[in-house]
Amino acid sequence: GAVVSQHPSWVICKSGTSVKIECRSLDFQATTMFWYRQFPKQSLMLMATSNEGSKATYEQGVEKDKFLINHASLTLSTLTVTSAHPEDSSFYICSASRGSGGYTFGSGTRLTVV
Amino acid sequence: QKEVEQNSGPLSVPEGAIASLNCTYSDRVSQSFFWYRQYSGKSPELIMSIYSNGDKEDGRFTAQLNKASQYVSLLIRDSQPSDSATYLCAVKVNYGGSQGNLIFGKGTKLSVKP
Repeated sequence: GAVVSQHPSWVICKSGTSVKIECRSLDFQATTMFWYRQFPKQSLMLMATSNEGSKATYEQGVEKDKFLINHASLTLSTLTVTSAHPEDSSFYICSASRGSGGYTFGSGTRLTVV
Repeated sequence: QKEVEQNSGPLSVPEGAIASLNCTYSDRVSQSFFWYRQYSGKSPELIMSIYSNGDKEDGRFTAQLNKASQYVSLLIRDSQPSDSATYLCAVKVNYGGSQGNLIFGKGTKLSVKP
């Protein structure tokens, strides 16, 4: 079945540093990638939508200069959290859209900023 | 503002009983509906998808959709302790032929007691 590999699964970084999260579709082409963030006991909140080869579309309230998304190929999308702060600590999940209309989620990245 | 509402629970049922999970949505143009199961610290995994009014059964799971009432539910028969998780209702809306994103409810925490 369709698999999205997401790395790293967890990361601890110092405040002010940047962290890159990768999502790679292993056996299909992901024309659209969605990036979600989930705080404890909350639901998944869409941060941005990216299409291969074009700029990402960010949801209201999400800083595009802080959360850099690159979707340079049909199998790889990255999210970089720049100048991370403790309030950015969260569970970040990518979801790739398959042409059939289904979605495949990555395994998530637990980010802790200290 | 598109919203997906769920009772946060926790919903506690004894092993072998039927668990009933409910979800309402606000956007009448919603076209596709999904139930995901999420274990603590893990990414959501798809349980069921439903697109037309009525019931859809898959093993111990039955999804029910009533578009007139903007209501979707999930029944879990013969509940098992391993079903204990948070169940997320998600709604997809397509606009202008684009690959729509999923809007998630906050989830209902289910606890199945042995």
